Amino acid sequence: TQLLEQSPQFLSIQEGENLTVYCNSSSVFSSLQWYRQEPGEGPVLLVTVVTGGEVKKLKRLTFQFGDARKDSSLHITAAQPGDTGLYLCAGETSYDKVIFGPGTSLSVIP
Amino acid sequence: DTAVSQTPKYLVTQMGNDKSIKCEQNLGHDTMYWYKQDSKKFLKIMFSYNNKELIINETVPNRFSPKSPDKAHLNLHINSLELGDSAVYFCASWGGINLSPLHFGNGTRLTVT
Repeated sequence: TQLLEQSPQFLSIQEGENLTVYCNSSSVFSSLQWYRQEPGEGPVLLVTVVTGGEVKKLKRLTFQFGDARKDSSLHITAAQPGDTGLYLCAGETSYDKVIFGPGTSLSVIP
Repeated sequence: DTAVSQTPKYLVTQMGNDKSIKCEQNLGHDTMYWYKQDSKKFLKIMFSYNNKELIINETVPNRFSPKSPDKAHLNLHINSLELGDSAVYFCASWGGINLSPLHFGNGTRLTVT
């Protein structure tokens, strides 16, 4: 069974600090996606990483896919209160089946 | 114009009752899902339909019965509700193109008392 793990589970930081969130699996994924979920809403896609070693940047967010395509990280530079939310990594395990990691709940304090 | 819409947003009911949650997507996608998000925010896949055909049925009690009258709609009916069914249920759709994202509704918070 393919599973995704995320760490840390909870993260509370001051505005302006940097942080990294990790997504790990013992299985290889053809791609991984990162979503952000805000209270009362559904998850929204941030990025998809496909190639081992790939790095993608989305303003202050940097996403990396591990060389072996078993892990990924999300780095946020100079966090802002608007970054507060639940960050979820997701991967497709078989035809049309997308599973999610348990999420990292980020709180950025002004 | 909401892409994936669920109703109701909140549902409070007593144990033993039967309830339904409706989902509609206007994205023209062929694949729709139901996910359950528990109190620890873990998002777990329940069902997947592709063009009205059941594709994925995870280990879900048979009190839960999805129904897809057409590819734009996927409803979830729950019989004999139990306390443990309390959660937020999310509907999602997928365009079927490799690497395309899931589009989620805003969830239905079900509370069973």
